[in-house]
Amino acid sequence: GESVGLHLPTLSVQEGDNSIINCAYSNSASDYFIWYKQESGKGPQFIIDIRSNMDKRQGQRVTVLLNKTVKHLSLQIAATQPGDSAVYFCAENIEGDYKLSFGAGTTVTVRA
Amino acid sequence: DTEVTQTPKHLVMGMTNKKSLKCEQHMGHRAMYWYKQKAKKPPELMFVYSYEKLSINESVPSRFSPECPNSSLLNLHLHALQPEDSALYLCASSPISTGTSGPKNIQYFGAGTRLSVL
Repeated sequence: GESVGLHLPTLSVQEGDNSIINCAYSNSASDYFIWYKQESGKGPQFIIDIRSNMDKRQGQRVTVLLNKTVKHLSLQIAATQPGDSAVYFCAENIEGDYKLSFGAGTTVTVRA
Repeated sequence: DTEVTQTPKHLVMGMTNKKSLKCEQHMGHRAMYWYKQKAKKPPELMFVYSYEKLSINESVPSRFSPECPNSSLLNLHLHALQPEDSALYLCASSPISTGTSGPKNIQYFGAGTRLSVL
C-alpha cells in the first residue's frame, strides 16, 4: 500500500539536499490547494498551487504533489538553500468559496 | 505587481485607544481579506469583502470594525481592544473566484501590522 507522509511541525535539512513537506487536508470537497511560505517578520508568500484535476505541478525548484485518494498534499523543494528557511503552510479551498483553510505549518530550518 | 501594502508595520495601543490599520492593493482584485495570526499559528480569517461589500464576518467581536472605502483600500478600525488581541494582522487580496473555470483564489498577503495592546 501507499504510505502517507506524516505532518511534522519542524524539518531540519542540510543545504543542498531536497526537502519534502507534507500536509493532510480534511475536506474531500476541496478542489484547489496552495502552498505559502512565511519568513520571519513577513506575510505569507504564494509559492505554488494545484487544482484537483492534476496530481503534480512543477515550478522553479518546487513541486507539489496531490493524492486525493488519501487527502494528502506535499511540497518538494530541490537543492534547499538558506533562503528557504521559513514556515510553510498548505491551504485548501473549494473554488468559488473565499475561505482558505490553512494547515498547522511546518518550520523548515536549513543547516549550512 | 503582486504587492499588498499595510500600514503601520507596528502599533502599540492602550485598551482605551482608537486606531486604524490600513491596507492597499493595485492589482485590480475585488476580494479583500483581514486575518489575525498568533505566533507559530496559521492565519485566522476575520473578514472578507467582495466588490466593496462585507461578505463574511467570522464572528469577530465588534471592537474590530472593517471598512472598504473603495476597490483598492481596506481599513480595520480598532477600539477598546484587549491584551489578547495582540497579534499580527494580515491583509490579503485576490481575484473573485467563480469556480473551476474562473480565476483561482490566490490570496496575496501584505507584510502585516504587528499589534501590541497594553
